[in-house]
Amino acid sequence: DAGITQSPRHKVTETGTPVTLRCHQTENHRYMYWYRQDPGHGLRLIHYSYGVKDTDKGEVSDGYSVSRSKTEDFLLTLESATSSQTSVYFCAISPTGTNEKLFFGSGTQLSVL
Amino acid sequence: AQRVTQPEKLLSVFKGAPVELKCNYSYSGSPELFWYVQYSRQRLQLLLRHISRESIKGFTADLNKGETSFHLKKPFAQEEDSAMYYCALSAPEPKLTFGTGTRLTIIP
Repeated sequence: DAGITQSPRHKVTETGTPVTLRCHQTENHRYMYWYRQDPGHGLRLIHYSYGVKDTDKGEVSDGYSVSRSKTEDFLLTLESATSSQTSVYFCAISPTGTNEKLFFGSGTQLSVL
Repeated sequence: AQRVTQPEKLLSVFKGAPVELKCNYSYSGSPELFWYVQYSRQRLQLLLRHISRESIKGFTADLNKGETSFHLKKPFAQEEDSAMYYCALSAPEPKLTFGTGTRLTIIP
């Protein structure tokens, strides 16, 4: 497996609280991605990064923000969690973007009560 | 906007029977298409990509631009093929758009 770690693996939180998920890589890959996986929706892109401090929105970015201050870390923040953000969140990395394969993390199961 | 459609949420096939997982896409440009697979308790991983025209674990997929399809096929299903399969479209780069997935179950 590519050196990609997500933390925490599981989290339960309450509506309205801020939540930050972390993706850490040891591969020095340029591109990093955050997806959410939901039944019936597959994987949907939230945000992605193409370098330090370079990020862009995906198709479901509302309610989420990201930061990438170092090559190895890509943080996903839910400013005020809602029940609709209960999901499994996957981080992915790639050296050259999506025309080459993405390497995925193990996922974070987030429950917002 | 680009879109990937996998019409079957669930597919059950007997061991030894042929498998076909359907994928259709919409994109005005030249597509880059992939199949990703998620086995139970494992990470999502690339199965194959159309540009390499390879066969992985007996699976093949041919890009049909006329029908805008990229169906995944295997002539003889094996029990270890049971998994969640996602078709994905890289467009525009560097975004990867996934379909909703098909859960394949191989019946012994």
